[in-house]
Amino acid sequence: QQQVKQSPQSLIVQKGGISIINCAYENTAFDYFPWYQQFPGKGPALLIAIRPDVSEKKEGRFTISFNKSAKQFSLHIMDSQPGDSATYFCAASPNTGNQFYFGTGTSLTVIP
Amino acid sequence: NAGVTQTPKFRILKIGQSMTLQCTQDMNHNYMYWYRQDPGMGLKLIYYSVGAGITDKGEVPNGYNVSRSTTEDFPLRLELAAPSQTSVYFCASTEANAGANVLTFGAGSRLTVL
Repeated sequence: QQQVKQSPQSLIVQKGGISIINCAYENTAFDYFPWYQQFPGKGPALLIAIRPDVSEKKEGRFTISFNKSAKQFSLHIMDSQPGDSATYFCAASPNTGNQFYFGTGTSLTVIP
Repeated sequence: NAGVTQTPKFRILKIGQSMTLQCTQDMNHNYMYWYRQDPGMGLKLIYYSVGAGITDKGEVPNGYNVSRSTTEDFPLRLELAAPSQTSVYFCASTEANAGANVLTFGAGSRLTVL
């Protein structure tokens, strides 16, 4: 059973466009929602994270939008660049323990 | 600043062989994890450890074993390798700060079972 559902599986965006990746969860015990970025041949690395007490978090061109009532959160990449081409994973972690549940990943390609 | 180091980077096994994937971290993190990554499936937790001497099963533990004799090392043992274990394996670690941890991943170990 997939604890965190992620879509789309792949995404192609023109340079300068907005990339949007969506995730949904069911477990109300989740209270920490990070996004990880993975380049080919590398391990994932933390990009940005949010807790459910805020509806939005922005870091540079990257923004997380969080809808607690809908149990959904999304990553927006503004002014997408070819260097943003990577696989993006959303994840969720409960308020007790240190397990992380990952989405299935989104392969983003930004076309010059 | 090495972070999380995994060896080997690549390995080909024959069905039925055994091997150990090594993972070492130099950040004094209490929590360590093993994930496998398969195309379209994301990262699945195999085993994790909250400290030396303590391990627990994750989502997909069958066919694997782990041990945690020191804070730094968390090896993953594959017994009787099967084609279904062909995957990329990632080790990760984090500090024990419930709810807001940053996972530091290794570079991965690509295993092929033929």
